[in-house]
Amino acid sequence: TQLLEQSPQFLSIQEGENLTVYCNSSSVFSSLQWYRQEPGEGPVLLVTVVTGGEVKKLKRLTFQFGDARKDSSLHITAAQPGDTGLYLCAGYMEYGNKLVFGAGTILRVKS
Amino acid sequence: DVKVTQSSRYLVKRTGEKVFLECVQDMDHENMFWYRQDPGLGLRLIYFSYDVKMKEKGDIPEGYSVSREKKERFSLILESASTNQTSMYLCASSLYETQYFGPGTRLLVL
Repeated sequence: TQLLEQSPQFLSIQEGENLTVYCNSSSVFSSLQWYRQEPGEGPVLLVTVVTGGEVKKLKRLTFQFGDARKDSSLHITAAQPGDTGLYLCAGYMEYGNKLVFGAGTILRVKS
Repeated sequence: DVKVTQSSRYLVKRTGEKVFLECVQDMDHENMFWYRQDPGLGLRLIYFSYDVKMKEKGDIPEGYSVSREKKERFSLILESASTNQTSMYLCASSLYETQYFGPGTRLLVL
């Protein structure tokens, strides 16, 4: 059982569509991170959220941390083929010192 | 610019062989990590190190060992490779909470 459940596991959409990826847990996290991984490469950090209810924007990407710090979402507006990749959420549990990863969401944006 | 390099991008080994995966970072980071990545399972922590000659077990250490003789280098050792160790292996380093990953080594054990 994953401590961080990501959904959906796979998403294939057309260029220009919007999408949301979810990351849920029954545990509280002191911070939540989102990474993007392209084929043949390691994950690269996109954002870290630390405060319950926090919203961060990175161009067309909007990240939200749940009020109770148990969940997070990533919303992409007007997706482009360059957004294609594996999106991973990861977090530090409230009293932990290790980064826990979700299983990831594979996003494919078709032109 | 931050850089984490891994000794091989692809490796093919036979069952029972001893396998060494090496990772080098150029950022003077204290912390280094080894993960394996399998479809549908995400990244699982094998071992990590907070300082030279220090190591701690992660979530799946069985069948693996590590070595950190120098701050910049963290090695993962498969003492006797088995087919269930076929996977993508990712090394990372960190100063605080942000982890910087290498490109990964895809290991196939036949």
